[in-house]
Amino acid sequence: DGGITQSPKYLFRKEGQNVTLSCEQNLNHDAMYWYRQDPGQGLRLIYYSQIVNDFQKGDIAEGYSVSREKKESFPLTVTSAQKNPTAFYLCASSISRQTEQYFGPGTRLTVT
Amino acid sequence: EDKVVQSPLSLVVHEGDTVTLNCSYEVTNFRSLLWYKQEKKAPTFLFMLTSSGIEKKSGRLSSILDKKELSSILNITATQTGDSAIYLCAVEVSGESKYIFGTGTRLKVLA
Repeated sequence: DGGITQSPKYLFRKEGQNVTLSCEQNLNHDAMYWYRQDPGQGLRLIYYSQIVNDFQKGDIAEGYSVSREKKESFPLTVTSAQKNPTAFYLCASSISRQTEQYFGPGTRLTVT
Repeated sequence: EDKVVQSPLSLVVHEGDTVTLNCSYEVTNFRSLLWYKQEKKAPTFLFMLTSSGIEKKSGRLSSILDKKELSSILNITATQTGDSAIYLCAVEVSGESKYIFGTGTRLKVLA
């Protein structure tokens, strides 16, 4: 089945630890995105990538890092510099610009 | 600053009612507007609108874009409990290849 997978579904970390969220797609999509969703705030763009080995900061990139070494994979690292990391993280992909995005099931990260 | 505003923030209706959800935007270079439905986890795509005045329809759902008013509406007729979800509106900004999302409208349909 084609689609986007994110793992894990739930993640718990202690403050001060870096954590990496996985996002994989087998849709052969060029573009991939990471969003953060907080209650009452909709989706906010963290990073996005249009092609392999290239990515751009979104609106809230501080405290996050990404890599795009393979077309299928776009992992997100939440660093200890991110002040409020507890949130629901969604990964998405699209064939290209001006096409709809397909979303993964999300990872709920809780940092205590 | 580019922004997308949705209204109302939440809505409770009874089965069979018709609802209209609103999305307005202020962006520097508009390319397209998209509607998504988010039930539990992953948002699922509903419509993409690029041309003003052309209605897109899928079953009981329909949507139309008004570029003059910088807005779009999503209509759901004969609502069912399965329509309960958060409805998200997103605008693609030309030249930046990114999407700006609104906060969503939380719809609850009571049996």
